[in-house]
Amino acid sequence: LAKTTQPISMDSYEGQEVNITCSHNNIATNDYITWYQQFPSQGPRFIIQGYKTKVTNEVASLFIPADRKSSTLSLPRVSLSDTAVYYCLVVSGGATNKLIFGTGTLLAVQP
Amino acid sequence: ETGVTQTPRHLVMGMTNKKSLKCEQHLGHNAMYWYKQSAKKPLELMFVYSLEERVENNSVPSRFSPECPNSSHLFLHLHTLQPEDSALYLCASSQDLLAAIYNEQFFGPGTRLTVL
Repeated sequence: LAKTTQPISMDSYEGQEVNITCSHNNIATNDYITWYQQFPSQGPRFIIQGYKTKVTNEVASLFIPADRKSSTLSLPRVSLSDTAVYYCLVVSGGATNKLIFGTGTLLAVQP
Repeated sequence: ETGVTQTPRHLVMGMTNKKSLKCEQHLGHNAMYWYKQSAKKPLELMFVYSLEERVENNSVPSRFSPECPNSSHLFLHLHTLQPEDSALYLCASSQDLLAAIYNEQFFGPGTRLTVL
């Protein structure tokens, strides 16, 4: 499974756009990039998944360059309730649905 | 109820006690998982079940014993635990075991376990 590297923490203010970048240099051809969000004392929640280029849903956008060795989760106009840990994971398509969580990025949104 | 539920939400037990954690999913999923999240550590996958059959056991001590009586229920039986076993225990489910695009895992709220 491809290992991911992301910043330990980030700070932002309400209303700003936040971009969290993740490195996955050893990503394989059939791997998908997946992001989860976790609030304190809760289970993680799926945010978005992509393979290449750009994916957008009602929560976030995911940008993946052509070489797929990194990805950027973009959260538009964050609010205080977006304070959470964000995990970047690589999931192998067609393999056992096994999630390997790293330490994630703690995003702290200030008023 | 919808989604994945876990009971109890909080549990305090002594090292000689025997207790069980319960997980129930109302999503019609075929795969269920137990994770452990200790303070300041990443989530660790403990057990994986597919169609009630255990398919993965990640070197978990025998004082943790999982049980999956049907595809909707998952238990984690605890006995003679140690204080270092104190953690948030999370249950999750997914449609199938094999990963596919958008085969996300749905997590329950977790059980906060404290071993005295």
